[in-house]
Amino acid sequence: SAVISQKPSRDICQRGTSLTIQCQVDSQVTMMFWYRQQPGQSLTLIATANQGSEATYESGFVIDKFPISRPNLTFSTLTVSNMSPEDSSIYLCSVEGQETQYFGPGTRLLVL
Amino acid sequence: EDQVTQSPEALRLQEGESSSLNCSYTVSGLRGLFWYRQDPGKGPEFLFTLYSAGEEKEKERLKATLTKKESFLHITAPKPEDSATYLCAVQPVLGYKLSFGAGTTVTVRA
Repeated sequence: SAVISQKPSRDICQRGTSLTIQCQVDSQVTMMFWYRQQPGQSLTLIATANQGSEATYESGFVIDKFPISRPNLTFSTLTVSNMSPEDSSIYLCSVEGQETQYFGPGTRLLVL
Repeated sequence: EDQVTQSPEALRLQEGESSSLNCSYTVSGLRGLFWYRQDPGKGPEFLFTLYSAGEEKEKERLKATLTKKESFLHITAPKPEDSATYLCAVQPVLGYKLSFGAGTTVTVRA
């Protein structure tokens, strides 16, 4: 399975600001995904990011709030824009592997 | 919309006390059902993929089984290091989206 790293691992932000989360994979992958895990809840897919095309967003998530970049086959970023306390969550990137999706360690975001 | 329901929400076990976790699902054509383990402060760690009813997979003290409507994760003679949240997810034949259950948090006391 791929080795996935995320930066930052955690952050505390003020409401109204934006945070960009980076996801780096140690091998080339076609499909990358961004998930949100709110406190006490399970994982929810935000969007699918393929290199060379616009990200595909799930119902309830919009590009203005969660812009995504996918400049190459090993890297992606997710920005959480104009943050509010409701955005406090763990944000996880994952990649499609041979058998399933493999997840990074997550970014723990607290918005005050 | 694909749905996954896990029960119980929490399970407290004595070391060596075997038990089972349940994952009920509805999906528009199942490509695969996945079990992950998530430790506090970490991302989900892949355990098993099951593709069709009747399939079973084993890894150390864990065994996963699949029927047309549910999956079970059996933990045999658990140890404290088996303490974690176990997540179940389904993926439809059409598409890549994983739909997750809320998880079962297992605590094993020595």
